[in-house]
Amino acid sequence: DAGITQSPRHKVTETGTPVTLRCHQTENHRYMYWYRQDPGHGLRLIHYSYGVKDTDKGEVSDGYSVSRSKTEDFLLTLESATSSQTSVYFCAIRAGRNSPLHFGNGTRLTVT
Amino acid sequence: QKEVEQDPGPLSVPEGAIVSLNCTYSNSAFQYFMWYRQYSRKGPELLMYTYSSGNKEDGRFTAQVDKSSKYISLFIRDSQPSDSATYLCAMSPYQGAQKLVFGQGTRLTINP
Repeated sequence: DAGITQSPRHKVTETGTPVTLRCHQTENHRYMYWYRQDPGHGLRLIHYSYGVKDTDKGEVSDGYSVSRSKTEDFLLTLESATSSQTSVYFCAIRAGRNSPLHFGNGTRLTVT
Repeated sequence: QKEVEQDPGPLSVPEGAIVSLNCTYSNSAFQYFMWYRQYSRKGPELLMYTYSSGNKEDGRFTAQVDKSSKYISLFIRDSQPSDSATYLCAMSPYQGAQKLVFGQGTRLTINP
């Protein structure tokens, strides 16, 4: 799986609680991404990072924040989880702009 | 209307059949087209990519782009049970774009 570890793999949380998902890579790739996957919508980009402390918004960034303090770690935070954020979250990495995306195996998040 | 439309299926065919998977798109700026395969409970993995129009073949897989019709296809010859997965198309204006637009995926089952 291209040296990508997502944690936790599954999480159930209550509405209004903060949640942090972690993506750890061992490839030393510059670019890291967070996507969510929902039935009927496919994969949608939440945020991405193009270097340590360099991040930008994707198409569905509302309600999410990210941080990247080290090359290998990219954190996704839901400040106050809502039921609409129930989804499968995928981290992806790539070495360069013209390199293919490699995905982790996802975190299944349920907000009750 | 979504930028990329993909029939979610499910599609079920017998082993050995030729499979045709398709996506349509509305954004004429898209020039870079990809197909990902996603097994259950796993992240997507890149199968093939094509740039602009034409065909590209890789073993049993052929990717085809018809820009005049805004239509892309993935053909699988001599389909195998191991090809059972969800297939997602993705596209972008150029190869290094940060933001890919994904179809929702077609779930394919190959019956022995």
